Amino acid sequence: SQKIEQNSEALNIQEGKTATLTCNYTNYSPAYLQWYRQDPGRGPVFLLLIRENEKEKRKERLKVTFDTTLKQSLFHITASQPADSATYLCALAINDYKLSFGAGTTVTVRA
Amino acid sequence: GAVVSQHPSRVICKSGTSVKIECRSLDFQATTMFWYRQFPKKSLMLMATSNEGSKATYEQGVEKDKFLINHASLTLSTLTVTSAHPEDSSFYICSALPGGAYSNQPQHFGDGTRLSIL
Repeated sequence: SQKIEQNSEALNIQEGKTATLTCNYTNYSPAYLQWYRQDPGRGPVFLLLIRENEKEKRKERLKVTFDTTLKQSLFHITASQPADSATYLCALAINDYKLSFGAGTTVTVRA
Repeated sequence: GAVVSQHPSRVICKSGTSVKIECRSLDFQATTMFWYRQFPKKSLMLMATSNEGSKATYEQGVEKDKFLINHASLTLSTLTVTSAHPEDSSFYICSALPGGAYSNQPQHFGDGTRLSIL
């Protein structure tokens, strides 16, 4: 069966450190993968999209990698700040435009 | 840009009531919108794809007569939960896709509707 797993439900880190989140998937062949941020009681906000032929994407303090052989994406937040505290969702494109989401990892950055 | 507005943000009503939720793309046209449901600490579950001018496409296990979707214009999709019961209580979120299906663009989400059925 198809499955998307995000490495842990919660991640607590010290301000200034790098947070690394993992998204593993099985029985999918996504054309692209997306990462979203969700704050409590709000809808997801798009962060980054990486295509199957791209190894790495960056946006400010965010970096995403995509390894289609390992079926894994890593999401890094460098120089983390308390304002980065949120739940981060990975989403795989299925059937070209539908998204299938992981359960998310809640990141808490301590000042 | 790419703002999606969802209304209402919260609804509390009695069992048996029908509830309508609106999803609007404010600064772009969206031939394709999506409706999701999210339980606490769980991932978003796709319920249906809303297509402007045609019938919605429902995911397996979602009752189309229970969750009525209308996408009558390029900027508005509505989800009506008919004869809602306590088990329908959830967080419902819509998204819109600039450029339509197959555009390889990210989806833009509304802020969700918290539905509580007493």
